Amino acid sequence: NAGVTQTPKFQVLKTGQSMTLQCAQDMNHNSMYWYRQDPGMGLRLIYYSASEGTTDKGEVPNGYNVSRLNKREFSLRLESAAPSQTSVYFCASSDQDRGSGELFFGEGSRLTVL
Amino acid sequence: AQKITQTQPGMFVQEKEAVTLDCTYDTSDPSYGLFWYKQPSSGEMIFLIYQGSYDQQNATEGRYSLNFQKARKSANLVISASQLGDSAMYFCANEAGSYQLTFGKGTKLSVIP
Repeated sequence: NAGVTQTPKFQVLKTGQSMTLQCAQDMNHNSMYWYRQDPGMGLRLIYYSASEGTTDKGEVPNGYNVSRLNKREFSLRLESAAPSQTSVYFCASSDQDRGSGELFFGEGSRLTVL
Repeated sequence: AQKITQTQPGMFVQEKEAVTLDCTYDTSDPSYGLFWYKQPSSGEMIFLIYQGSYDQQNATEGRYSLNFQKARKSANLVISASQLGDSAMYFCANEAGSYQLTFGKGTKLSVIP
């Protein structure tokens, strides 16, 4: 059972470089999310996609773009990386039709921007 | 906007004892959900327990129970019979019909043998 798969797991970038974090889920969930986790800050929502074809900003969207490629895949792009974007990024999905809205998380992607 | 407060940055508990992790929330929505997640040192996020705002009884899942006090807007996690493997970060989260979970800053629990 793969669940939510994120790639890459680790990445080091230089300031100004771009990159895309990939996320795929095999649970047929409608909703997908990108969070970032910083020490002492908990998890903060960057963007989410309530259903295929829609995306919305979360709490900290600046510096990021997302694409909901299809129902399975939701990517996060950093166009011009900054040291402030050094963080651990989590992709998650949920099946809102279940009612509880439980999030299923990927293993996380650790990004360092020098 | 939703707000989740976890006032205990760190907690210690003796193995086999019970421990309560505090969580208070602030929402104006009448319908909402409350979640607890565990994050061990390996980094993955593990779902523990869920409580809906209209649920009449407190949620329980094995050794985990959620002490839900709606009037006080609190949703404390109780872990009974603590085990060494319970040492981890614990996050409380709130969802209020917007497809978004808002997380608290977490409590680091350390279980002492």
